[in-house]
Amino acid sequence: DAKTTQPPSMDCAEGRAANLPCNHSTISGNEYVYWYRQIHSQGPQYIIHGLKNNETNEMASLIITEDRKSSTLILPHATLRDTAVYYCIVRATTSGTYKYIFGTGTRLKVLA
Amino acid sequence: GAVVSQHPSRVICKSGTSVKIECRSLDFQATTMFWYRQFPKKSLMLMATSNEGSKATYEQGVEKDKFLINHASLTLSTLTVTSAHPEDSSFYICSARRGGSYNEQFFGPGTRLTVL
Repeated sequence: DAKTTQPPSMDCAEGRAANLPCNHSTISGNEYVYWYRQIHSQGPQYIIHGLKNNETNEMASLIITEDRKSSTLILPHATLRDTAVYYCIVRATTSGTYKYIFGTGTRLKVLA
Repeated sequence: GAVVSQHPSRVICKSGTSVKIECRSLDFQATTMFWYRQFPKKSLMLMATSNEGSKATYEQGVEKDKFLINHASLTLSTLTVTSAHPEDSSFYICSARRGGSYNEQFFGPGTRLTVL
């Protein structure tokens, strides 16, 4: 299973863009990158996912490098409600079960 | 869409009793459901994967006789913690995968279990 590496914590000023990096150097060709976030004592919330092209939705943008060994989640205008732990996951497909292996994540604190 | 619920949200029980946690996909059929546990300030740890109508697949180190999983329908999976002990106290989270071309998992809100 591909593993991910993320910085343990980051701060971001409210209203500024938050750029959260993730390394997944052992990713294989058919594995997707997923991003979730978890606000304290809640279940993780889906943000975005991608394979090799950059993706954008109403919550965030996902930039994947050409070699696919790393990606960056961008929250364009961070708010205090974006304070959470952000998880970058490479979807494992062992036996076709599509299970997620969570890493330690990045604790993002948005500052007023 | 893609809402997953869990019940109960919080449970306190005495040591030695069994506790059942339900996970439901409310607006879609889940071909696969997953159960995780999470200790304070730690990441989610996958416990098991369950497919509707078949036996669950447990991750290494997870006792299948301790954590009974039943996935009786495409919208319901249950986790039963048998003979619970204080060390089983944790935050239990389920997720559901829609299948087909939709492979992302949608997570429930979690169940906090406290064993006295």
